[in-house]
Amino acid sequence: GAVVSQHPSRVICKSGTSVKIECRSLDFQATTMFWYRQFPKQSLMLMATSNEGSKATYEQGVEKDKFLINHASLTLSTLTVTSAHPEDSSFYICSAKRGANEKLFFGSGTQLSVL
Amino acid sequence: SQELEQSPQSLIVQEGKNLTINCTSSKTLYGLYWYKQKYGEGLIFLMMLQKGGEEKSHEKITAKLDEKKQQSSLHITASQPSHAGIYLCGADPGAQKLVFGQGTRLTINP
Repeated sequence: GAVVSQHPSRVICKSGTSVKIECRSLDFQATTMFWYRQFPKQSLMLMATSNEGSKATYEQGVEKDKFLINHASLTLSTLTVTSAHPEDSSFYICSAKRGANEKLFFGSGTQLSVL
Repeated sequence: SQELEQSPQSLIVQEGKNLTINCTSSKTLYGLYWYKQKYGEGLIFLMMLQKGGEEKSHEKITAKLDEKKQQSSLHITASQPSHAGIYLCGADPGAQKLVFGQGTRLTINP
């Protein structure tokens, strides 16, 4: 089956630093990937849609300058949390579709802790 | 915007008992997805329903989409400890993306 790989699985950083999270589709090309955020005991909140070769589409309330998304190839999207602060600590998870009207495959997520 | 309401938000059942989780949408569902998650991990795909009245089963889990396509239910028969986790329903509000309900936390007591 299709696999989405996310790296790193866990990262701890100091306040003010930037953190990059990678999301790769391993056995299919994904023109679109999605980034979600999840707080403890809460559901997934869609942050943005990552589009290969063009700008990401952000959901309302998500700061595009804070959460930089780059989808440079058909198999890789990156999320960079810039100038991270403790309130950015969360579980971030990416997903991708192999094609329209197909299910989403999810990465294993990244637990970000900002000290 | 489309909103999904799941009920109950948490559920504790005795091993071997049946249970049902519901997902109600504020708008017509054109695709309803059920996923399972253990917190801090990725999501495992369970079922996808697209047609009104559709019902799918996998092992001891059955999911249905009602005729009006605004509600779905997930039913687990003879629950086991391996069924414990967070169950999430998701729907496509358009633009080929998924939004999720708030999740149902299922605990199975031995």
